[in-house]
Amino acid sequence: EPEVTQTPSHQVTQMGQEVILRCVPISNHLYFYWYRQILGQKVEFLVSFYNNEISEKSEIFDDQFSVERPDGSNFTLKIRSTKLEDSAMYFCASSVLRGRGYTFGSGTRLTVV
Amino acid sequence: QQQVKQSPQSLIVQKGGIPIINCAYENTAFDYFPWYQQFPGKGPALLIAIRPDVSEKKEGRFTISFNKSAKQFSLHIMDSQPGDSATYFCAASDETSGSRLTFGEGTQLTVNP
Repeated sequence: EPEVTQTPSHQVTQMGQEVILRCVPISNHLYFYWYRQILGQKVEFLVSFYNNEISEKSEIFDDQFSVERPDGSNFTLKIRSTKLEDSAMYFCASSVLRGRGYTFGSGTRLTVV
Repeated sequence: QQQVKQSPQSLIVQKGGIPIINCAYENTAFDYFPWYQQFPGKGPALLIAIRPDVSEKKEGRFTISFNKSAKQFSLHIMDSQPGDSATYFCAASDETSGSRLTFGEGTQLTVNP
């Protein structure tokens, strides 16, 4: 069964550093998403991406966040200057239809120290 | 108004029991209600989803019941097995206004042998 692949599985970074989280969505999917889950809390929407541009973003997705699809396969989330409260599990997802039938990756656990 | 409230927070049943997880929403524009299953260290996996024009949907041992007037929906797991032990999330989205999923808080289900 096709999978969404995320790398790395765990990243530790110092506060103030930039991090890039990488994702390879399912090849025939058109919509791409990032969500995050702070430990013990609900999964929260960050951003959706379609046709090489952001289609929707949440209030969490401020200027320190950016997304990019640098080539035909990768989808990245960049956090410019990490804060302690950015520590969370970040999930990439993709879908064929907008907002329907998401497939999530296994996530990247980001720890900011 | 965008919230989805989920209960209970945790649930323990014996093998063969029928755990029921409930969710309630406020936004009447929501038109897609999926349930996700999450094992430790993994991303959420889509289990089953329903639209508000039907009151019940079954897929294998999983059933969603939907009450549009009460703005509530629930997941029933028939003949539960220890392998069903996981965290379950309900979610909702409104296709016309965006692609984001709004998740409930999650229910940690334990099925004892």
